Amino acid sequence: EPEVTQTPSHQVTQMGQEVILRCVPISNHLYFYWYRQILGQKVEFLVSFYNNEISEKSEIFDDQFSVERPDGSNFTLKIRSTKLEDSAMYFCASSGQGGSGEKLFFGSGTQLSVL
Amino acid sequence: AQRVTQPEKLLSVFKGAPVELKCNYSYSGSPELFWYVQYSRQRLQLLLRHISRESIKGFTADLNKGETSFHLKKPFAQEEDSAMYYCALSRWDTGFQKLVFGTGTRLLVSP
Repeated sequence: EPEVTQTPSHQVTQMGQEVILRCVPISNHLYFYWYRQILGQKVEFLVSFYNNEISEKSEIFDDQFSVERPDGSNFTLKIRSTKLEDSAMYFCASSGQGGSGEKLFFGSGTQLSVL
Repeated sequence: AQRVTQPEKLLSVFKGAPVELKCNYSYSGSPELFWYVQYSRQRLQLLLRHISRESIKGFTADLNKGETSFHLKKPFAQEEDSAMYYCALSRWDTGFQKLVFGTGTRLLVSP
């Protein structure tokens, strides 16, 4: 089965630094997502992306966050100035269709540690 | 607002015993419900969704709108079922998969 690929698997950064988390969605998928999971808490929706623009974002996704699809394969999440509370596991996901009942394919996650 | 509640953090059973992982939701409209599973050191993957009414790996889940529940059941647990299970909800009226997850239940099946 095709997979969503995320790199790096673990990122350590200093507070205030910029980080870019990278994802390669499944090649023929059109809908892309970022979710995150703070240790011990639930998986939370951050943002959805379609047709080169954000379709929906949560209140977590403030001005410090941005997403981009710089080429035909990568989908990135940038945090401009990281805070301690940004430490979490970040999951990228994609789906072929946009319907609410569609299956999401998740990447294995990037563990972000902000020191 | 949508909310998904999984009351049990840990469910421990013996192999061959029946399993029921509870999930209740709060949503005023018609939801799409899912169960996702995360095996040790692996990615989140879809186990089943209510719209397809399928049985995967012996698991079933029935949407009960009256009780606002979507409990996951399996008649005979296997050791390989040990994993983290997440119930999730998506609004039918949005074109995008904004899933609301529960906090998850860890299922531990002992030999």
